[in-house]
Amino acid sequence: GAGVSQTPSNKVTEKGKYVELRCDPISGHTALYWYRQSLGQGPEFLIYFQGTGAADDSGLPNDRFFAVRPEGSVSTLKIQRTERGDSAVYLCASSLTGGLTYEQYFGPGTRLTVT
Amino acid sequence: AQSVSQHNHHVILSEAASLELGCNYSYGGTVNLFWYVQYPGQHLQLLLKYFSGDPLVKGIKGFEAEFIKSKFSFNLRKPSVQWSDTAEYFCAVNAVRAAGNKLTFGGGTRVLVKP
Repeated sequence: GAGVSQTPSNKVTEKGKYVELRCDPISGHTALYWYRQSLGQGPEFLIYFQGTGAADDSGLPNDRFFAVRPEGSVSTLKIQRTERGDSAVYLCASSLTGGLTYEQYFGPGTRLTVT
Repeated sequence: AQSVSQHNHHVILSEAASLELGCNYSYGGTVNLFWYVQYPGQHLQLLLKYFSGDPLVKGIKGFEAEFIKSKFSFNLRKPSVQWSDTAEYFCAVNAVRAAGNKLTFGGGTRVLVKP
């Protein structure tokens, strides 16, 4: 079956611009997670949705970052006034429900480069 | 806040050699523990997980990991590696009741198996 998909696969933007990154979770998965992976590091938690609501957004680094999931399926991570330090691979994962007994399935990521 | 450290950034070994990757975490309470693997050009995928019970956990592809609570460790092992085990391996921890559903990842270990 189809896995988690993310678009675009690569995004190059100029410093100060606004970007949107999209995640399509596995159909029927109610939990959705965003992580950020900087070069040479492991993924870092950003935000977790259970259904339409953000159950935990404690990992968002500052108010330039925002994420939505209006219909409980597709999610969009939005970054305003991008900075060079935002360059990273942004990973999305989904799981059947929010419990950790359910495996988180990861997408291929969006590589964001801010020039 | 919990943290995860993986001792080796890079490991190079020959086929049929034994592999052990170290993982230590810092959190004094109950934890759920995971190892993820990322093969070249592929998504992160779950290798094995520990929630409770037998501290020796068996995963896919002949991997196993041992949870040693007194050492705050969850080391990954494979008795005899194959060229196809070339990948990056990530240890991840969830601090039960303190961290919701978020996973904290280590920095990863790149493993290269020479044929």
